[in-house]
Parts: sequence; structure tokens; C-alpha cells
Amino acid sequence: SYVLTQPPSVSVAPGQTARITCGGNNIGSKSVHWYQQKPGQAPVLVVYDDSDRPSGIPERFSGSNSGNTATLTISRVEAGDEADYYCQVWDSSSDHPNVVFGGGTKLTVL
Amino acid sequence: QVQLVQSGAEVKKPGSSVKVSCKASGGTFSSYAISWVRQAPGQGLEWMGGIIPIFGTANYAQKFQGRVTITADESTSTAYMELSSLRSEDTAVYYCARVGYGCSGGSCYFDYFDYWGQGTLVTVSS
Repeated sequence: SYVLTQPPSVSVAPGQTARITCGGNNIGSKSVHWYQQKPGQAPVLVVYDDSDRPSGIPERFSGSNSGNTATLTISRVEAGDEADYYCQVWDSSSDHPNVVFGGGTKLTVL
Repeated sequence: QVQLVQSGAEVKKPGSSVKVSCKASGGTFSSYAISWVRQAPGQGLEWMGGIIPIFGTANYAQKFQGRVTITADESTSTAYMELSSLRSEDTAVYYCARVGYGCSGGSCYFDYFDYWGQGTLVTVSS
């Protein structure tokens, strides 16, 4: 089955840039979506189709995807960005196509 | 504004079943798929399966095949997830989410989850 690998944690000071990676075999050939989840809340879509932003998501959130790594970049990080972030793809490479989530990355704002 | 409203928290005994509902409003129910995702305490997101209401057929994660049933009622814009043979490891928050989808060559895929329900806590305990 297809595996998405995320670092468990990323720390960044306010105003700096956070980069959260999502590794997968030839992930650049797939569409990657990213979710933000704050404690006690449902996930929120922040980036879809590698680099598009839903309405209402700040331009500070951006994404890229190439080769074996997709990256969520958060510029000018704010305290309110502290949350868990998950990447997600649709994997059709096996006999049993399915949705795959990464293990999640906890973003800490120092 | 699209809203997904789920049924309330449940406490179940091991070996029993639970059925969680997800009522959609503010959008066209038949234009999207509904997926179910669960999250055990302190853990990540886990996809369970999804359904495209206009087709009526569900796609399940291999891990849950045989134990989960996902259905949808277009007349009430409501989707359901039933999980059977519950065990303590099934204690989790269960989310429904609206998903875009596409079909090609006789098979369909799920896209991104753009709206989520508030979550339903299912506790399995003797």
C-alpha cells in the first residue's frame, strides 16, 4: 500500500517560514491535498491539488509537489497557525484504490 | 453555506454495532461523494470509505472491508456509516466529509475533502 511520510513535528518562530514535507513514491504524479487541524476541531482544507487555496485561506499558505516530496509552506507564521497538518492523496496504484493520509505534523510556533 | 451535521456521541459494548448519520445542507448532495474518516485519541486521520450517492455504491478501505457499511439517502441528503463487531480500538471520533470525485474508464476516484462534519465520538467499552 502507498505510504505518505511526514515529520512528526516542525517548530518555527513567529514571522518565519514553516515548511512541512510529505514524502511518497513518485508523489509528484499525484494530486496532494493538505489539511489543518486544531485541537478539538475538525480538519480544514488549506491547500488542494498541490498548490491551490480554497476561498478564505490566507495567501501565506502555499504548496508544491515534485518528485518524491510535496511541501506545504506557511509564510509569516502566526501563533494561530499552530496545529496538526496532514497531507492526503488518492492512491490508485494498488489493486485496492483508496484515500491515503500522512501521519501528520505538529507545527509549534515558538 | 455547506454544512454537514452528524449525530451525537455513542457509547457501545464490544461486539455491538454503531450507526452514525451525516446530514448535508446548503449544497447539491448528489454532485459530490461523502467519505468517512476516523481519528483515534491522539492519533492521525484514517480513511474508512466513501460513497457517491448518485451511483449508490461504496468504496471501502481494505482494513474495514466486511465490517463497515456506508449508505446514502438522496431524499434526505443524509449519509450513514455503520461499523460492526466493535472493539475497544474502534474508540475514536468519526468524521464525515464532502469529497469531490471523478470517474474514468469504469472506475471512480475521490479528490479532496472540502467540508467536514463536526465529528461523532464513539466510545467502545464494556
